[in-house]
Parts: sequence; structure tokens; C-alpha cells
Amino acid sequence: GAVVSQHPSRVICKSGTSVKIECRSLDFQATTMFWYRQFPKKSLMLMATSNEGSKATYEQGVEKDKFLINHASLTLSTLTVTSAHPEDSSFYICSAKGQSYEQYFGPGTRLTVT
Amino acid sequence: AQKVTQAQTEISVVEKEDVTLDCVYETRDTTYYLFWYKQPPSGELVFLIRRNSFDEQNEISGRYSWNFQKSTSSFNFTITASQVVDSAVYFCALSENNYGQNFVFGPGTRLSVLP
Repeated sequence: GAVVSQHPSRVICKSGTSVKIECRSLDFQATTMFWYRQFPKKSLMLMATSNEGSKATYEQGVEKDKFLINHASLTLSTLTVTSAHPEDSSFYICSAKGQSYEQYFGPGTRLTVT
Repeated sequence: AQKVTQAQTEISVVEKEDVTLDCVYETRDTTYYLFWYKQPPSGELVFLIRRNSFDEQNEISGRYSWNFQKSTSSFNFTITASQVVDSAVYFCALSENNYGQNFVFGPGTRLSVLP
């Protein structure tokens, strides 16, 4: 099946710094990528949808200036958490969709802000 | 608005028992898609099944089976003869179209299978 990778898998950063998370579709072209956030023992919440070459569409309540999303190519989307704070600590999961209906999820990135 | 409810927060069973995870959904769309995902402790989501709203046939895949009942807006998941490796959080999800948009996850059910 299709594979989606995320890098890094875990990251610890200091409060006030920015962190970039990469999401790559390894064996297909992803026209659409999604970013989710999952708090401990909670469900996944969609943060934003990004289509290659255009601006991301953010869900209500998600700060677009805080969570910068770039989908510059058909195989790569990045999520940058700017000026991170401890409350941004979470598990971030991306998913990618190509021509078919199927969404393929990445393995997730655990962000800890100290 | 779409909504997915998984009333069972946590379930514990002993190995070899059968277990059913409930999923109830709400949507105003006549065409929609239902999914089940498994999230083991590693965190990676594992796709289990996708079902569209026009296909009410029950499905069996090995020890897994799914019961889709449009009349009660339910899409329940049964694991037969559970195994310790089945321990995970299981999410039911709903999508309004074929493009993954408005993909709504339920709160998840944490299943613990004890040896």
C-alpha cells in the first residue's frame, strides 16, 4: 500500500522556538494533504487541508499564523509550529490523498515543548 | 454537521473473547463514507475498512467483521477470538465525500485484551 512518512518522529523544543514537521508521500503524488492534531487519549482533530500549490484551508479555531502549512510539491507538505509553547505539545499526524479516495496516514510526530 | 460517537471509552476483555466496538454517526448527507482505524501504542493509524453509504452488506475479514445498519446509523466492529495484539485504540470515522474532506473521527475506544 501507499506509504506516508513524517519527519521527525519525535521532537523536543524550547518554548519560543519554531519547529518544522515534514510529511512525504513516498510512492504516489499527493494532491491533497491533511494535518491532524491528537491530544493524549483524545481523538484526532483536523487542523487544515492543503492542496499542492495553493494556500491551506484551516479549520475553525486553528491559528493560521501559528501553524504554517506549505504544500510546495506533490510529495511534500510541511507544518511549522511557530513560537511554540507548552500547550502546543501534541501528536501531529498528516495524511495524504492521491487520485483515489483513500487517505494514507503518516506515523505521526510527537512534539514536546519545554 | 457530522458527528461520530463511540460510547465505549475503554473495554477490557480476556483473550479469545469476542468483542464489539460500537459506532454511531450523524450526517445529513445521503452519500458518505465510514471508516475504522486502529491506533496501536506506536501511534500510527492502521486502516481497517472503508464503507460507502450505499453498501450495507456486512463484511468479514479474518477475525474482523463489520455491521453497517443505516436504519440506526451504526457501523459496529466485532473482533472474534480476540488476541493480545488487538490491544489498541480504535477509531470510527466519517467522511462526506470521496475526497477525504470533512473527515470526522470518533473519540475512540481503547481496547485492552488481557492474556
